[in-house]
Amino acid sequence: GQQLNQSPQSMFIQEGEDVSMNCTSSSIFNTWLWYKQDPGEGPVLLIALYKAGELTSNGRLTAQFGITRKDSFLNISASIPSDVGIYFCAGSLSGSARQLTFGSGTQLTVLP
Amino acid sequence: NAGVMQNPRHLVRRRGQEARLRCSPMKGHSHVYWYRQLPEEGLKFMVYLQKENIIDESGMPKERFSAEFPKEGPSILRIQQVVRGDSAAYFCASLPGQGSLYGYTFGSGTRLTVV
Repeated sequence: GQQLNQSPQSMFIQEGEDVSMNCTSSSIFNTWLWYKQDPGEGPVLLIALYKAGELTSNGRLTAQFGITRKDSFLNISASIPSDVGIYFCAGSLSGSARQLTFGSGTQLTVLP
Repeated sequence: NAGVMQNPRHLVRRRGQEARLRCSPMKGHSHVYWYRQLPEEGLKFMVYLQKENIIDESGMPKERFSAEFPKEGPSILRIQQVVRGDSAAYFCASLPGQGSLYGYTFGSGTRLTVV
């Protein structure tokens, strides 16, 4: 089945710094999604990407769908303490099933 | 995560007991997905259901696990004769019948602990 390699596994950054994380896949996906998960909660959707090459922003978040459809990155600018959490990429193939394949997550810690 | 309701939030079972996890999708959503998350891992797809139908159960273990989404009431994920390895967070997500993946909303999960 499909596998997603997400890196880095964890990051420690100073408040105000920019952050970048990425996912690569052995398979092509038609949709890339980025989620944030807080402790004890379910994942919350941040950004969805539907077309190869697409660059989408949501406030301080920017994500891109790679041209090869096998990769995606997420950037967070000017990090703040509430950005702390685990960030997951997820990919989906088209079709009626729409099940998601998740990466293993990037644990982000923002230091004051 | 408002809208997709899962209960209980925490469930403790002894080895050999049964676990029943419930998921009420968002209003108007007829598609339900169950995922399992082991500690420090991403979510893994288990099963996809529509009302009264199992559409894709390719991620479900072959034994002890079953899922249903009846015409009335919540979707149920049932684990019989639980073992320690079943300890995980189980998440439910729902989608409307049509529309983009932007409607893919997760519940807050049920944390199952098998002792």
